[in-house]
Amino acid sequence: GDSVTQMEGPVTLSEEAFLTINCTYTATGYPSLFWYVQYPGEGLQLLLKATKADDKGSNKGFEATYRKETTSFHLEKGSVQVSDSAVYFCALSESTGNQFYFGTGTSLTVIP
Amino acid sequence: EPEVTQTPSHQVTQMGQEVILRCVPISNHLYFYWYRQILGQKVEFLVSFYNNEISEKSEIFDDQFSVERPDGSNFTLKIRSTKLEDSAMYFCASRGQGVRNQPQHFGDGTRLSIL
Repeated sequence: GDSVTQMEGPVTLSEEAFLTINCTYTATGYPSLFWYVQYPGEGLQLLLKATKADDKGSNKGFEATYRKETTSFHLEKGSVQVSDSAVYFCALSESTGNQFYFGTGTSLTVIP
Repeated sequence: EPEVTQTPSHQVTQMGQEVILRCVPISNHLYFYWYRQILGQKVEFLVSFYNNEISEKSEIFDDQFSVERPDGSNFTLKIRSTKLEDSAMYFCASRGQGVRNQPQHFGDGTRLSIL
């Protein structure tokens, strides 16, 4: 079945460091891919998405490219800030768009 | 920006009691979902709901669980006889119709603690 495998955390970075959180997926059909962010005490917020191969989603300095050949959707940011500290979830939506599959989440802490 | 709202933010219930978690999806959305996140674990799909009926459900969503859209705005999750292992964060989500694979919009969750 469809699934998402996400890089284990926690990740601790200094401010302005480069961030990569790896995400790979297994799916039949043509899924859409998403990154959600969960700030402490809050719900899941959509960070970015890509709906087809080679699409690049971007938001708030974060980027991720839908790579069909490597079945990956890695999250990157060139220069992280303390305010980026949160848990990041990679997610897959199968072709009907109905059910979402989430990765285990990666906790990011950015220190000044 | 419209948002999904969930109440209460925290529910404490004795084991064996019934609990109802409430959600108000975004008003023009037509697809509704419940997810569960046990502390420290992944977000797990429970159920999806469309056109006043369940469209998909996971193995977690057994006979103890039910969902309802009692009026035009609320979407509820009922756990009939709670167990200790039901303690988790429960997220409601909704999605609009139209473009395939629109993102789901999530509420802030209800933390359910079973004693």
